[in-house]
Amino acid sequence: SQKIEQNSEALNIQEGKTATLTCNYTNYSPAYLQWYRQDPGRGPVFLLLIRENEKEKRKERLKVTFDTTLKQSLFHITASQPADSATYLCALEENTGNQFYFGTGTSLTVIP
Amino acid sequence: DAGVIQSPRHEVTEMGQEVTLRCKPISGHNSLFWYRQTMMRGLELLIYFNNNVPIDDSGMPEDRFSAKMPNASFSTLKIQPSEPRDSAVYFCASSLRTGTDTQYFGPGTRLTVL
Repeated sequence: SQKIEQNSEALNIQEGKTATLTCNYTNYSPAYLQWYRQDPGRGPVFLLLIRENEKEKRKERLKVTFDTTLKQSLFHITASQPADSATYLCALEENTGNQFYFGTGTSLTVIP
Repeated sequence: DAGVIQSPRHEVTEMGQEVTLRCKPISGHNSLFWYRQTMMRGLELLIYFNNNVPIDDSGMPEDRFSAKMPNASFSTLKIQPSEPRDSAVYFCASSLRTGTDTQYFGPGTRLTVL
């Protein structure tokens, strides 16, 4: 069956450290993968997109990697801040059509 | 731009009642998506439209759910009759087009069916 799995446990890290979130997928052939941030009571907000032929993408303190062999994307936040505390969702679109799938999200708390 | 607008923000209704959720996408966006989010199942795509035409409704749970997009600036998601298991947060999102374009989400409607 098709699955998108993110860190099942909530992630707590100290301010200033690098947070690494994992997104693993099974039985998909994604054309690209996106990462979103969601704060309580609000809709997801787009952060980064990485295509299947890209290995890494950066934006300020954020870095995303995409390994189609491992079927995995890693999302890194360097020099983390308490304001980075949120739920982070990965999402992918299959290259066979326009279906869009989200993972269940990882809750990140950055401790001051 | 005001972003994606959804109404109502909260809806509490009794089982068996009809519920209508509304969405106004960002002006100029050609694709509109309806999602449902629960703790158990996460964020699920219910249906999406391209240029007001429903393209894929395979995520709609059953015939009690229906969605329309009569014009480029308005869409509705209707549940009739509603059931307690429909309780969730329903999000509307829009993008310039499907594919690699960013989806912009509305604030969501929290639906509680008693």
